[in-house]
Amino acid sequence: DIQMTQSPSSLSASVGDRVTITCRASQRISSYLNWYQQKPGKAPKLLIYAASSLLSGVPSRFSGSRSGTDFTLTISSLQPEDFATYYCQQSYSTPLTFGGGTKVEI
Amino acid sequence: EVQLVESGGGLVQPGRSLRLSCTASGFAFGDYAMSWVRQAPGKGLEWVGFIRSEPYGGTTEYAASVKGRFTISRDDSKSIAYMQMNSLKTEDTAVYFCARGTTYGDPNWFDPWGQGTLVTVSS
Repeated sequence: DIQMTQSPSSLSASVGDRVTITCRASQRISSYLNWYQQKPGKAPKLLIYAASSLLSGVPSRFSGSRSGTDFTLTISSLQPEDFATYYCQQSYSTPLTFGGGTKVEI
Repeated sequence: EVQLVESGGGLVQPGRSLRLSCTASGFAFGDYAMSWVRQAPGKGLEWVGFIRSEPYGGTTEYAASVKGRFTISRDDSKSIAYMQMNSLKTEDTAVYFCARGTTYGDPNWFDPWGQGTLVTVSS
């Protein structure tokens, strides 16, 4: 199984901060990496697919990148509505696996 | 508007069965893979399984933790995906989400998701 190691598990930030979340795959997954945002009591929402493609309607302050088996989600200027938990997910092979999540707090 | 609505959750005793439904609207259901993902209370997301669209054989894949106990099926005429859960264990307690995959065979990503339905396995 492909393990997805997400870091940090939590972070504290302020409105306007640049925030970076990292996800490392245990083996090569090409660009089969997606990022989701989840707010308490709500379903996750897709933000980025295929490592760096921004889903239509998602603010451009969100971006994704890949370097080998390391993937990064960047929020360029954190907004109040961005405080949430973020998950990466690989779709290279089954079992599909998620990272452990990063909680972004004030 | 693309929408997914799960139903069928509830309280069930260990060893019993439950069937979840995911009713879709707003898109060509038969063209898409459909997935189930669960989230235990206070925990992260865990993929449970998916079913491919009929053009890709309508075949299924499951996580090891549920393989042999859970069965995913689909009724494209009704735009509904099902998940039959047998031999339920306390560790199956979670919110179960259905999510639309892609039209590429395997669900390369999940978008959108339903609101989720809570399954509680307890005596």
